[in-house]
Amino acid sequence: EPEVTQTPSHQVTQMGQEVILRCVPISNHLYFYWYRQILGQKVEFLVSFYNNEISEKSEIFDDQFSVERPDGSNFTLKIRSTKLEDSAMYFCASSLYGQAGTGELFFGEGSRLTVL
Amino acid sequence: AQSVSQHNHHVILSEAASLELGCNYSYGGTVNLFWYVQYPGQHLQLLLKYFSGDPLVKGIKGFEAEFIKSKFSFNLRKPSVQWSDTAEYFCAAVYAGNMLTFGGGTRLMVKP
Repeated sequence: EPEVTQTPSHQVTQMGQEVILRCVPISNHLYFYWYRQILGQKVEFLVSFYNNEISEKSEIFDDQFSVERPDGSNFTLKIRSTKLEDSAMYFCASSLYGQAGTGELFFGEGSRLTVL
Repeated sequence: AQSVSQHNHHVILSEAASLELGCNYSYGGTVNLFWYVQYPGQHLQLLLKYFSGDPLVKGIKGFEAEFIKSKFSFNLRKPSVQWSDTAEYFCAAVYAGNMLTFGGGTRLMVKP
Protein backbone atom coordinates (compact mmCIF):
# COMPACT_ATOMS: atom_id res chain seq x y z
CA GLU A 1 0.00 0.00 0.00
CA PRO A 2 1.44 3.41 -0.92
CA GLU A 3 2.35 5.59 2.02
CA VAL A 4 3.70 8.98 2.93
CA THR A 5 7.22 8.84 4.31
CA GLN A 6 8.92 11.45 6.44
CA THR A 7 12.53 12.04 7.43
CA PRO A 8 14.01 12.43 9.91
CA SER A 9 11.85 10.69 12.47
CA HIS A 10 13.45 12.78 15.21
CA GLN A 11 15.65 15.85 15.03
CA VAL A 12 17.24 17.75 17.87
CA THR A 13 18.50 21.24 17.10
CA GLN A 14 19.73 24.35 18.83
CA MET A 15 17.57 27.44 18.97
CA GLY A 16 18.23 29.70 15.99
CA GLN A 17 19.30 26.90 13.68
CA GLU A 18 17.62 26.11 10.39
CA VAL A 19 15.77 22.83 10.06
CA ILE A 20 14.46 21.07 6.98
CA LEU A 21 11.88 18.34 7.36
CA ARG A 22 11.39 16.10 4.37
CA CYS A 23 8.38 14.26 3.08
CA VAL A 24 7.75 11.96 0.16
CA PRO A 25 4.02 12.08 -0.60
CA ILE A 26 2.13 9.35 -2.38
CA SER A 27 3.25 9.52 -5.98
CA ASN A 28 0.00 10.35 -7.80
CA HIS A 29 -1.28 12.79 -5.16
CA LEU A 30 -1.72 16.42 -6.04
CA TYR A 31 -2.26 18.16 -2.69
CA PHE A 32 0.32 18.33 0.05
CA TYR A 33 0.06 19.49 3.63
CA TRP A 34 1.99 20.10 6.80
CA TYR A 35 0.42 19.84 10.22
CA ARG A 36 2.02 19.99 13.62
CA GLN A 37 1.18 18.83 17.12
CA ILE A 38 2.81 20.40 20.12
CA LEU A 39 2.95 17.91 22.98
CA GLY A 40 -0.40 17.75 24.73
CA GLN A 41 -2.12 20.04 22.24
CA LYS A 42 -4.26 19.69 19.13
CA VAL A 43 -3.03 18.77 15.69
CA GLU A 44 -2.83 22.13 13.91
CA PHE A 45 -2.87 22.96 10.22
CA LEU A 46 0.18 24.78 8.91
CA VAL A 47 -0.02 24.91 5.14
CA SER A 48 -1.43 23.29 2.03
CA PHE A 49 0.32 23.19 -1.33
CA TYR A 50 -1.08 22.56 -4.78
CA ASN A 51 0.18 23.12 -8.28
CA ASN A 52 3.56 24.26 -6.97
CA GLU A 53 2.26 26.99 -4.77
CA ILE A 54 0.81 27.51 -1.33
CA SER A 55 -2.97 27.28 -1.53
CA GLU A 56 -3.72 28.00 2.11
CA LYS A 57 -1.78 28.72 5.28
CA SER A 58 -2.59 29.27 8.91
CA GLU A 59 -1.51 32.06 11.23
CA ILE A 60 1.19 29.75 12.57
CA PHE A 61 2.87 29.63 9.18
CA ASP A 62 4.76 32.90 9.43
CA ASP A 63 7.82 34.15 7.60
CA GLN A 64 10.15 31.73 9.33
CA PHE A 65 8.41 28.81 7.63
CA SER A 66 8.62 27.88 3.98
CA VAL A 67 7.66 24.89 1.87
CA GLU A 68 9.08 23.62 -1.34
CA ARG A 69 8.64 20.82 -3.79
CA PRO A 70 12.17 20.79 -5.20
CA ASP A 71 11.63 17.81 -7.48
CA GLY A 72 8.84 15.50 -8.47
CA SER A 73 8.85 13.52 -5.27
CA ASN A 74 9.93 15.50 -2.21
CA PHE A 75 7.95 18.07 -0.25
CA THR A 76 9.93 19.96 2.37
CA LEU A 77 9.19 22.20 5.32
CA LYS A 78 11.93 24.62 6.27
CA ILE A 79 12.07 26.48 9.55
CA ARG A 80 14.60 29.26 9.14
CA SER A 81 15.49 30.10 12.70
CA THR A 82 14.02 27.66 15.17
CA LYS A 83 12.52 28.76 18.46
CA LEU A 84 11.83 26.70 21.55
CA GLU A 85 8.11 26.81 20.79
CA ASP A 86 8.69 25.11 17.44
CA SER A 87 9.27 21.85 19.31
CA ALA A 88 6.50 19.59 18.08
CA MET A 89 5.64 16.59 15.96
CA TYR A 90 5.33 17.66 12.34
CA PHE A 91 3.07 15.62 10.10
CA CYS A 92 3.15 15.64 6.35
CA ALA A 93 0.06 14.56 4.44
CA SER A 94 -1.03 14.22 0.85
CA SER A 95 -4.27 13.72 -0.99
CA LEU A 96 -5.39 13.09 -4.52
CA TYR A 97 -8.26 15.53 -4.27
CA GLY A 98 -8.63 18.66 -2.21
CA GLN A 99 -9.76 18.22 1.35
CA ALA A 100 -12.94 20.17 0.83
CA GLY A 101 -13.90 17.80 -1.97
CA THR A 102 -13.77 14.09 -1.53
CA GLY A 103 -10.15 14.01 -0.55
CA GLU A 104 -8.87 11.74 2.15
CA LEU A 105 -5.60 12.82 3.70
CA PHE A 106 -2.87 10.25 4.00
CA PHE A 107 -0.48 11.10 6.79
CA GLY A 108 3.14 10.26 7.37
CA GLU A 109 4.37 9.01 10.73
CA GLY A 110 5.65 12.40 11.71
CA SER A 111 8.98 14.07 12.39
CA ARG A 112 9.59 14.99 15.99
CA LEU A 113 11.48 18.26 16.30
CA THR A 114 13.11 19.16 19.60
CA VAL A 115 14.56 22.65 19.91
CA LEU A 116 16.99 23.19 22.78
CA ALA B 1 -14.05 30.70 15.40
CA GLN B 2 -14.48 27.38 13.67
CA SER B 3 -13.50 24.58 16.01
CA VAL B 4 -13.91 20.93 16.85
CA SER B 5 -14.38 19.73 20.40
CA GLN B 6 -13.87 16.28 21.82
CA HIS B 7 -15.18 16.00 25.35
CA ASN B 8 -13.44 12.87 26.52
CA HIS B 9 -9.67 13.11 26.75
CA HIS B 10 -9.14 9.62 28.14
CA VAL B 11 -11.45 6.64 28.00
CA ILE B 12 -10.76 3.25 29.53
CA LEU B 13 -12.95 0.31 28.59
CA SER B 14 -12.90 -3.43 28.96
CA GLU B 15 -13.01 -5.63 25.90
CA ALA B 16 -16.51 -6.13 24.49
CA ALA B 17 -17.76 -2.89 26.01
CA SER B 18 -19.53 -0.44 23.76
CA LEU B 19 -17.80 2.78 22.76
CA GLU B 20 -19.09 6.23 22.07
CA LEU B 21 -16.70 9.17 21.65
CA GLY B 22 -18.19 12.61 21.49
CA CYS B 23 -17.38 15.22 18.88
CA ASN B 24 -18.95 18.61 18.35
CA TYR B 25 -18.21 21.15 15.67
CA SER B 26 -18.92 24.83 15.77
CA TYR B 27 -20.01 25.83 12.30
CA GLY B 28 -23.60 25.99 11.11
CA GLY B 29 -22.85 25.89 7.41
CA THR B 30 -21.54 23.18 5.14
CA VAL B 31 -19.00 21.02 6.86
CA ASN B 32 -17.20 17.80 6.01
CA LEU B 33 -16.48 15.59 9.03
CA PHE B 34 -13.87 12.95 9.67
CA TRP B 35 -12.63 10.57 12.31
CA TYR B 36 -8.96 9.67 12.25
CA VAL B 37 -7.20 7.10 14.41
CA GLN B 38 -3.58 6.92 15.47
CA TYR B 39 -2.45 3.54 16.79
CA PRO B 40 0.63 3.57 19.03
CA GLY B 41 3.72 4.34 16.98
CA GLN B 42 1.80 4.68 13.74
CA HIS B 43 0.54 7.45 11.50
CA LEU B 44 -2.89 9.02 11.49
CA GLN B 45 -5.29 7.07 9.34
CA LEU B 46 -8.85 7.69 8.26
CA LEU B 47 -11.59 5.72 10.00
CA LEU B 48 -14.58 7.28 8.29
CA LYS B 49 -15.90 10.49 6.78
CA TYR B 50 -19.17 12.29 6.22
CA PHE B 51 -19.80 14.66 3.35
CA SER B 52 -23.53 14.39 2.68
CA GLY B 53 -26.35 11.86 2.42
CA ASP B 54 -27.05 9.18 5.01
CA PRO B 55 -26.08 10.69 8.38
CA LEU B 56 -25.06 7.27 9.71
CA VAL B 57 -21.64 6.55 8.29
CA LYS B 58 -19.88 3.22 8.51
CA GLY B 59 -16.13 3.05 8.53
CA ILE B 60 -13.38 0.51 8.83
CA LYS B 61 -12.95 -1.97 11.67
CA GLY B 62 -16.61 -1.87 12.73
CA PHE B 63 -16.69 1.83 13.57
CA GLU B 64 -19.58 4.09 12.69
CA ALA B 65 -20.49 7.70 13.31
CA GLU B 66 -23.72 9.63 13.24
CA PHE B 67 -24.02 13.18 11.97
CA ILE B 68 -26.68 15.05 13.91
CA LYS B 69 -26.96 18.51 12.44
CA SER B 70 -29.27 19.87 15.13
CA LYS B 71 -26.73 18.98 17.79
CA PHE B 72 -23.63 19.89 15.75
CA SER B 73 -22.35 16.45 16.64
CA PHE B 74 -20.53 13.61 14.93
CA ASN B 75 -20.04 10.94 17.58
CA LEU B 76 -18.01 7.83 16.94
CA ARG B 77 -19.39 4.48 18.02
CA LYS B 78 -18.44 0.84 18.11
CA PRO B 79 -20.69 -1.80 19.66
CA SER B 80 -17.91 -4.00 21.01
CA VAL B 81 -14.31 -2.83 21.38
CA GLN B 82 -11.23 -5.00 21.20
CA TRP B 83 -7.83 -4.60 22.79
CA SER B 84 -6.48 -3.70 19.33
CA ASP B 85 -8.68 -0.59 19.31
CA THR B 86 -6.36 1.01 21.86
CA ALA B 87 -5.35 4.22 20.11
CA GLU B 88 -5.91 7.95 19.98
CA TYR B 89 -8.98 9.07 18.07
CA PHE B 90 -9.29 12.45 16.41
CA CYS B 91 -12.42 14.10 15.14
CA ALA B 92 -11.80 16.64 12.37
CA ALA B 93 -13.74 18.97 10.11
CA VAL B 94 -13.26 20.89 6.92
CA TYR B 95 -15.32 24.05 6.94
CA ALA B 96 -13.96 25.67 3.79
CA GLY B 97 -10.91 25.50 1.66
CA ASN B 98 -8.32 22.88 2.29
CA MET B 99 -7.79 23.18 6.01
CA LEU B 100 -8.59 20.27 8.28
CA THR B 101 -9.42 21.40 11.83
CA PHE B 102 -8.79 18.74 14.47
CA GLY B 103 -10.30 18.17 17.85
CA GLY B 104 -8.03 17.59 20.81
CA GLY B 105 -8.11 13.81 20.53
CA THR B 106 -9.36 11.05 22.81
CA ARG B 107 -7.01 8.41 24.10
CA LEU B 108 -8.79 5.07 24.30
CA MET B 109 -7.35 2.24 26.32
CA VAL B 110 -9.04 -1.14 26.07
CA LYS B 111 -8.21 -3.56 28.84
CA PRO B 112 -8.03 -7.22 27.83
